[in-house]
Amino acid sequence: GENVEQHPSTLSVQEGDSAVIKCTYSDSASNYFPWYKQELGKGPQLIIDIRSNVGEKKDQRIAVTLNKTAKHFSLHITETQPEDSAVYFCAASIGGTALIFGKGTTLSVSS
Amino acid sequence: EAGVAQSPRYKIIEKRQSVAFWCNPISGHATLYWYQQILGQGPKLLIQFQNNGVVDDSQLPKDRFSAERLKGVDSTLKIQPAKLEDSAVYLCASSLTTDGEQFFGPGTRLTVL
Repeated sequence: GENVEQHPSTLSVQEGDSAVIKCTYSDSASNYFPWYKQELGKGPQLIIDIRSNVGEKKDQRIAVTLNKTAKHFSLHITETQPEDSAVYFCAASIGGTALIFGKGTTLSVSS
Repeated sequence: EAGVAQSPRYKIIEKRQSVAFWCNPISGHATLYWYQQILGQGPKLLIQFQNNGVVDDSQLPKDRFSAERLKGVDSTLKIQPAKLEDSAVYLCASSLTTDGEQFFGPGTRLTVL
C-alpha cells in the first residue's frame, strides 16, 4: 500500500524566513496531495492541496510543488510568522480512497 | 457553517472497559471518516462511510472496534474492551464527496490506564 515519508520532523526558523517541508510517496497511482496544519488540541486543517495534473499551486504565502516522476511534493511557506508555528502533515491518496499521512513536521517560528 | 462536532473531548478509562465516541458531520456531507492519531504520528484511517454504508474498514481492529452511521448522518465509534495501546486522539472528518476536502473535528483524546 501507499507509504508517505515526511522530512524534517522538526524545523525552527526566524520570523520572516522561509520554511520548506518535503514528502515522498510510494504509490505512483496517488493523485491527490493535501497539506494540513494542526494546532495543539485541534483537528488538522487543510491549508493547501494539489492534484497530479498540476505541478505547482500557490496561495498567498503558501505554495506546494509536485514532482510526479520523483514521487515527491513539498510545502513552501514564505515570510513566516509566529502564528505559523504548528505541526504540518502531508498526505496522499488515490481518488476517493483513504488519506495516508506522513508523521508530521513541528514548525517553530521565533520572533 | 458549523464544523464537525465530536464528543466527548476527553475520556479516561481503565483497560478492558468500553467507550464510545460520537461525531456529527457537516450538514450535507455524505462521506464520514474516523481516524486514530497516536501521539507524534499522523492520523490513520479506521473506517470510511459513504452515507450509511462502509467504504473502507480494512484498518479497523474488528475484534474490539465497531462503528456505525445511522441514517447517514451522525456516527459512533466504540471500543470494547479497550487496551493500553488504544490511547490516542480519535478524529472524525467529513467531506461532501469521496474525493473532496476533508474537514476534521477537534477530536476525542482517549487515555487508557
